[in-house]
Amino acid sequence: GQNIDQPTEMTATEGAIVQINCTYQTSGFNGLFWYQQHAGEAPTFLSYNVLDGLEEKGRFSSFLSRSKGYSYLLLKELQMKDSASYLCARRDDYKLSFGAGTTVTVRA
Amino acid sequence: DVKVTQSSRYLVKRTGEKVFLECVQDMDHENMFWYRQDPGLGLRLIYFSYDVKMKEKGDIPEGYSVSREKKERFSLILESASTNQTSMYLCASIPGQSYSNQPQHFGDGTRLSIL
Repeated sequence: GQNIDQPTEMTATEGAIVQINCTYQTSGFNGLFWYQQHAGEAPTFLSYNVLDGLEEKGRFSSFLSRSKGYSYLLLKELQMKDSASYLCARRDDYKLSFGAGTTVTVRA
Repeated sequence: DVKVTQSSRYLVKRTGEKVFLECVQDMDHENMFWYRQDPGLGLRLIYFSYDVKMKEKGDIPEGYSVSREKKERFSLILESASTNQTSMYLCASIPGQSYSNQPQHFGDGTRLSIL
């Protein structure tokens, strides 16, 4: 496999910040996606990184270091609706390899 | 917006049955994918198709086959269903391989139980 690793679960308080890390094998790497998946629903696209650095989209930001095989998704000003699973997916040409997902629980 | 539609949200079948899962997309996408999603394992690619009648095995094709007779429709077939194929099945599409830096659009999934 592509050995994509991310934490299984994270819990945070409403209004706080949470950082979800993802590590992957670097060989054949073309880019990294982050998806959000609410329980019983389809994954929805959050971000795509192909170059090193931080990409910010409102409350969500994603960072990539190609040389280290490392990415993170940063969720700021957490809201209850952010409780979901967050999937890291490595692109290898036209195929995606997914991590097992990180379940984030936001508490009041 | 791209719409990827899977024919059933929930399906219950018996061991040994031949099972068909259907997926239709409405944006003339060339590439379509079938995944299964299991707790602790994430999404795993079963098969994908890059054109009509063209297919390629993914990471876990054993026990499955696919059919793509028309561009908009991609079917996953369980030749003889077994209990270890109980899972959530997700279909996805992108315009084509030159668009592989674009996000895959997913259907809502089919939760399949094999008894």
